[in-house]
Amino acid sequence: SQQGEEDPQALSIQEGENATMNCSYKTSINNLQWYRQNSGRGLVHLILIRSNEREKHSGRLRVTLDTSKKSSSLLITASRAADTASYFCAPSNDYKLSFGAGTTVTVRA
Amino acid sequence: KAGVTQTPRYLIKTRGQQVTLSCSPISGHRSVSWYQQTPGQGLQFLFEYFSETQRNKGNFPGRFSGRQFSNSRSEMNVSTLELGDSALYLCASSPGGQLEKLFFGSGTQLSVL
Repeated sequence: SQQGEEDPQALSIQEGENATMNCSYKTSINNLQWYRQNSGRGLVHLILIRSNEREKHSGRLRVTLDTSKKSSSLLITASRAADTASYFCAPSNDYKLSFGAGTTVTVRA
Repeated sequence: KAGVTQTPRYLIKTRGQQVTLSCSPISGHRSVSWYQQTPGQGLQFLFEYFSETQRNKGNFPGRFSGRQFSNSRSEMNVSTLELGDSALYLCASSPGGQLEKLFFGSGTQLSVL
């Protein structure tokens, strides 16, 4: 299926450290997006990378995309307590974004 | 600009009843997507509407239906509720034809007793 699958399921890091999470998917895509969700609220869009791009940056976020391996990674540098949240990747195609179960990131002070 | 508004915020129903959830997208947005979120299954895609037309739907039974009005507001309906329908239902809007950025509402938390 097109659904993104995030790995790891959970991640606990110290404030100031980097957090890396991965996403795999199975079908062709137009783009891949990353979202953050705090405490069961609505998701917030973080970054979009198109299928013809390999890397993209936005502030402390860095996203890579490898369409040959059907995988993406999200790196959050210099993490802060406010980065504690669940992160979801969403491969996009055919008027549909398919989210996985997410990676829960806990940033310890 | 006001964000995506979902009503009601919380809902308690009993098995067998039906429920209608409402979503008002950001002004000017023509696409509305619906998702069901449960702890075990993550976010599951229900359907997406654009200019009153359903463009895609997920793998949910026919008890789940939706529609979009000419002002882009959308409703989803679940008939004959089951305990397993308890979930957070999220609505998201997007400006145009391609889903390049979804703006999510805070969701409707449905509990089926």
